[in-house]
Amino acid sequence: QVQLQESGPGLVKPSETLSLTCTVSGGSITYYYWSWIRQPPGKGLEWIGYIYSSGSTNYNPSLKSRVTISVDTSKNQFSLKLNSVTAADTAVYFCAREVRGYTQLHYYYYMDVWGKGTTVTVSS
Amino acid sequence: SYELTQPPSVSVSPGQTARITCSGDELPKQYAYWYQQKSGQAPVLVIYKDSERPSGIPERFSGSSSGTTVTLTISGVQAEDEADYYCQSGDNSNVLFGGGTKLTVL
Repeated sequence: QVQLQESGPGLVKPSETLSLTCTVSGGSITYYYWSWIRQPPGKGLEWIGYIYSSGSTNYNPSLKSRVTISVDTSKNQFSLKLNSVTAADTAVYFCAREVRGYTQLHYYYYMDVWGKGTTVTVSS
Repeated sequence: SYELTQPPSVSVSPGQTARITCSGDELPKQYAYWYQQKSGQAPVLVIYKDSERPSGIPERFSGSSSGTTVTLTISGVQAEDEADYYCQSGDNSNVLFGGGTKLTVL
């Protein structure tokens, strides 16, 4: 049973870089896509982006200029960096396994395993 | 990019059927997915590829698609089904979420 666990600082100062790590246990990180999703207080879900185990990435266009997702297969971990943060980046950050592929009808992509989430507050 | 539109709230009594809709112009060209999020918890996938149910999800959860609208149906709603529900689809390989619907069990 694959499990995900987010870790990182719970408080980040404005204009600095938010850094989080997701550790994958109970399975290998290879041959899967891995995503970050966030949820501001009282609001909905926002997809940040994904990384494939080979290192290829895709980011939400609205965050692309500030986001970097990386993977360390030797540690079964992937990480998120979000720079130049403001109060608007305060949120619960989730890591998740993303399933991607295609059928005769459509492409498909969805998150089937989620971490419990970690709260990050941007404040001086 | 386009948007996925959900009603902010739906209320039903226990044992009744709840229907939560999600509308988006690109839905005829994409699969839809549904997540249940209980207060203070991570989302849980309850429907994928429009109507498939992951293992462990009760049979009372079902999904359907018609044109630009997809629907999550919960038959015989139970108190434990009270949660926020999010639809999700795709847009040029990017993941897109609806705004969420709060299901209240009266």
